Amino acid sequence: ELKVEQNPLFLSMQEGKNYTIYCNYSTTSDRLYWYRQDPGKSLESLFVLLSNGAVKQEGRLMASLDTKARLSTLHITAAVHDLSATYFCAVDRNQFYFGTGTSLTVIP
Amino acid sequence: KAGVTQTPRYLIKTRGQQVTLSCSPISGHRSVSWYQQTPGQGLQFLFEYFSETQRNKGNFPGRFSGRQFSNSRSEMNVSTLELGDSALYLCASSLEWGGSNEQFFGPGTRLTVL
Repeated sequence: ELKVEQNPLFLSMQEGKNYTIYCNYSTTSDRLYWYRQDPGKSLESLFVLLSNGAVKQEGRLMASLDTKARLSTLHITAAVHDLSATYFCAVDRNQFYFGTGTSLTVIP
Repeated sequence: KAGVTQTPRYLIKTRGQQVTLSCSPISGHRSVSWYQQTPGQGLQFLFEYFSETQRNKGNFPGRFSGRQFSNSRSEMNVSTLELGDSALYLCASSLEWGGSNEQFFGPGTRLTVL
């Protein structure tokens, strides 16, 4: 079974700082998705990465995919409080396999 | 365009009962997937339906079942509820089955089993 690991599980960072969330997966796939979940809410789609080397950016978030390393990263630039949420990566291999999630808290 | 809708949003049941949850996908989407989210196990895939056929199934006991109707609406049923079935159940829709299809999630149904 495909395993998807995210690290860190918990991340507390100050506003204005940069940080990266990592998503490693165990079996070849070239389709990876990032989602955001606010407390008590559903999942909101952030990025769709469909090929090796894919890079997508939206505001202060940038996601990349390295299928050879089986690694995706979600980079946060100059964090703001509104980015506080749980972030999930999901690998698509006929079904979605979700990572453990990274709970991000941005401190003023 | 309306998003994915799920009903009911909240449900309280007792052990041994059964429950049916409903999901209406985004108009034009033909694939519906169901997930269970718990603090301990995270997000786990239950099953996926496309054109009224189950295309994929996760590792859940037979108490968990589902179906899809001709209008793509889907229901999932859990029989003989156990305390461990308490979870947020999320439904997601996508245009097609398989391939590179982004999934859009509904608000979820929060099930509490007492």
